[in-house]
Amino acid sequence: GAVVSQHPSRVICKSGTSVKIECRSLDFQATTMFWYRQFPKKSLMLMATSNEGSKATYEQGVEKDKFLINHASLTLSTLTVTSAHPEDSSFYICSARSGTGNTIYFGEGSWLTVV
Amino acid sequence: KNQVEQSPQSLIILEGKNCTLQCNYTVSPFSNLRWYKQDTGRGPVSLTIMTFSENTKSNGRYTATLDADTKQSSLHITASQLSDSASYICVVRSNTGKLIFGQGTTLQVKP
Repeated sequence: GAVVSQHPSRVICKSGTSVKIECRSLDFQATTMFWYRQFPKKSLMLMATSNEGSKATYEQGVEKDKFLINHASLTLSTLTVTSAHPEDSSFYICSARSGTGNTIYFGEGSWLTVV
Repeated sequence: KNQVEQSPQSLIILEGKNCTLQCNYTVSPFSNLRWYKQDTGRGPVSLTIMTFSENTKSNGRYTATLDADTKQSSLHITASQLSDSASYICVVRSNTGKLIFGQGTTLQVKP
């Protein structure tokens, strides 16, 4: 079945550096991908919607210059956390919508720790 | 306001027992409702997806129901196993394509 892969699954970075998380749809083309952030014991919080070939749509309160999203191809979207701060430490999850539009698959998530 | 509310917030049951999780929503216009299982530190995995016209859908020991009139859904787990311990998230999609997430129910199955 369809699979969405995220990489890396865990990353530790120093404050002030940038870190990139990749989200790939492995066996289907995803015109739309979504990026979420999840705090411990909380539900997923949508950060932005990533559309292939166009600018991402950010949810209210999410800094687009802080969380750079690029959806350069139909199978890859990237989230770059710039000038990382310890408060950016979180679990980041992506999802992708298949061509039929009704099915959404989630990636395995990426743990980011900023020290 | 589009909202999805789940209950209970957490639940502990003994292995082999059944349980039912509830999801109430106020999302309009409604497109579909999904139940996901999320293991700690992992991405959500789809269990069922139900559209307006579907009342019941099963996936192994998981059975989801939907009452579009009362805007309620339930997820019934039969003969629970230790591996069922996870968070169960109800997600409602509006016709505009927006996904509204419930807060989830944390289920713990004890031996």
